[in-house]
Amino acid sequence: ETGVTQTPRHLVMGMTNKKSLKCEQHLGHNAMYWYKQSAKKPLELMFVYNFKEQTENNSVPSRFSPECPNSSHLFLHLHTLQPEDSALYLCASSQAVVAGAETQYFGPGTRLLVL
Amino acid sequence: SQQGEEDPQALSIQEGENATMNCSYKTSINNLQWYRQNSGRGLVHLILIRSNEREKHSGRLRVTLDTSKKSSSLLITASRAADTASYFCATDQGAQKLVFGQGTRLTINP
Repeated sequence: ETGVTQTPRHLVMGMTNKKSLKCEQHLGHNAMYWYKQSAKKPLELMFVYNFKEQTENNSVPSRFSPECPNSSHLFLHLHTLQPEDSALYLCASSQAVVAGAETQYFGPGTRLLVL
Repeated sequence: SQQGEEDPQALSIQEGENATMNCSYKTSINNLQWYRQNSGRGLVHLILIRSNEREKHSGRLRVTLDTSKKSSSLLITASRAADTASYFCATDQGAQKLVFGQGTRLTINP
């Protein structure tokens, strides 16, 4: 929609499965983000990457493992998830700035259901 | 962390009317942003207003910021059915952390 793509768009997995979410941005940005959006809760920041380096981990359980091989790609590896992890997972990108937050561009999200 | 709180949580108006949504926050900010989200989709950035600005316009959107009251408002004029969506304010908490509120669900009735 805005130069940020996410795959898959929908994912159903069991609690013992291992899966990965992929995000790619075509905007030339150097910061990327993972957010979790659960029903009736505010959008929660999970991870921030600047120039491929993780700069923020918002107390996310280790069953979520991010990977940023380059400034254009971001992955979220999932393993042994719980049903309460079912949510919409959104990726975003922006220009990296030393201070402050600039406009973030979001992907369409991956709707995850954990059974 | 402190979060923006939108008010009202839900708003239903007739097409052509104006829609006003409010956002309150608790900490000092660098900027405040408004985003729109259509059902189950990604967020789309609408407008960014910096802490030293009081008002900003973009098309049918008008955003105000009152840092003394720690509040912002988003006005959508001459609403259209396509404006039906959830609207979120996000406050810049520094270090690239945007903190989102729970949003206002806007419904435009034809």
